Amino acid sequence: AQKITQTQPGMFVQEKEAVTLDCTYDTSDPSYGLFWYKQPSSGEMIFLIYQGSYDQQNATEGRYSLNFQKARKSANLVISASQLGDSAMYFCAMREALFNKFYFGSGTKLNVKP
Amino acid sequence: GAVVSQHPSRVICKSGTSVKIECRSLDFQATTMFWYRQFPKQSLMLMATSNEGSKATYEQGVEKDKFLINHASLTLSTLTVTSAHPEDSSFYICSTPGQTYEQYFGPGTRLTVT
Repeated sequence: AQKITQTQPGMFVQEKEAVTLDCTYDTSDPSYGLFWYKQPSSGEMIFLIYQGSYDQQNATEGRYSLNFQKARKSANLVISASQLGDSAMYFCAMREALFNKFYFGSGTKLNVKP
Repeated sequence: GAVVSQHPSRVICKSGTSVKIECRSLDFQATTMFWYRQFPKQSLMLMATSNEGSKATYEQGVEKDKFLINHASLTLSTLTVTSAHPEDSSFYICSTPGQTYEQYFGPGTRLTVT
C-alpha cells in the first residue's frame, strides 16, 4: 500500500486566492511526522511545514497551514493568498519514528494564474 | 538550518562510464545520509540509506553493485553510478536527518547519460 497519496497531479489557482493540496497517509506507527515540501523547477526541496502525530494544534507557518485530520489520516496543505512565486511542485511526505525514512507522495503541480 | 551541498550540480557522461556524486554536510556531522532518485515529473524515490562507517542499506529493486554508496566520514557521502546507461539519467538528491524532525536536502545533481 502507498504510504502517501496525493490525488491531484495538477492544480490551478488564481493569484491572491487560497488553495488546498490534498494528502492522505497510511501508517500503523503511532509516532510519525508529516511534511510538505515545495520543489521549484531548480529542483531544490524547500521545507514548508511540519506536523507531528501528537501535535494537538494544526501547524501554521506564515501563509501555509496544515489541516491535520488524524482519524481520516489526512494532512492537507492550505496556501492562503497565493502568489505567482508559489507555482511549483508540492510534495507531501511522512517520516515514521520506527524506520527514520521519508516517504514522499507523487506530488501536485500548482500553477498560480495572474 | 544545516547546509548540505552536492557536487556536481549537473553532469553529462557517456554510456558505460562511471559518475561520482558527492554530498557534503557543511556545518554538522551527518551520521546518516539518504539518497533519492527523481525522474522527470515524478516523486523522489529512496534508493539507499548510508550510515557513516558501515555498509549502505539499499531499497528493494536498487542494484547495489550499480549504485555504490560510500559514507567514509561524518561530512561526506558519495554515490557512484557505475557503467551508466541512458536510463540512469535522473535527478539525484541526498538528505540527512536533523536532530529532531528536520531533514536537510542537498540541492540535487542532474545526471544525463548520452
